[in-house]
Amino acid sequence: AAGVIQSPRHLIKEKRETATLKCYPIPRHDTVYWYQQGPGQDPQFLISFYEKMQSDKGSIPDRFSAQQFSDYHSELNMSSLELGDSALYFCASSSSGTSSGFQETQYFGPGTRLLVL
Amino acid sequence: GENVEQHPSTLSVQEGDSAVIKCTYSDSASNYFPWYKQELGKGPQLIIDIRSNVGEKKDQRIAVTLNKTAKHFSLHITETQPEDSAVYFCAPRGGSSASKIIFGSGTRLSIRP
Repeated sequence: AAGVIQSPRHLIKEKRETATLKCYPIPRHDTVYWYQQGPGQDPQFLISFYEKMQSDKGSIPDRFSAQQFSDYHSELNMSSLELGDSALYFCASSSSGTSSGFQETQYFGPGTRLLVL
Repeated sequence: GENVEQHPSTLSVQEGDSAVIKCTYSDSASNYFPWYKQELGKGPQLIIDIRSNVGEKKDQRIAVTLNKTAKHFSLHITETQPEDSAVYFCAPRGGSSASKIIFGSGTRLSIRP
């Protein structure tokens, strides 16, 4: 079965540079979530999109922005990178409206490992 | 919002023995109870889930039990194997609208050979 695809898998940037992370959800999934996981920490929710509209916002810095496109893929744009942005960035996707009032399962991608030097 | 606690935070068991991880949550509206397994450097992978209209679910060596009254659910792994070593997260959620996962601190499971 197709899974969530993230690119690139690894990224090295200098401080103050910009980075763009891409996420391709499972086919027919309309909701995308972004999570950040620092070294030795739990994943922290950043932002989510449903049908190309922002649906929820977590601890995402103002330097970051994201969007979901018409083909449902999503991009996380990170500017003025700081050393503390070094982390694993996960994208997850889910479908909506098929479980009769229950939450839908979120499926995670393999992540993008960002290293800021 | 949901307050999630997992116990224990670390667990070491002999290969072949069973492991049990408990997740306690606060939101009585929670109706979906998944468990994720995360290996080092990889994304969390769903290993089993249960919805609130069911009390127990089993998939080979893995089972999940739910106690809605007490607001906790548990992951049971039997006949543990070295590849079961990982961090396990519970991620209870509720409502009918898609919502973010608030991860707890996770449980680091180590299987001793």
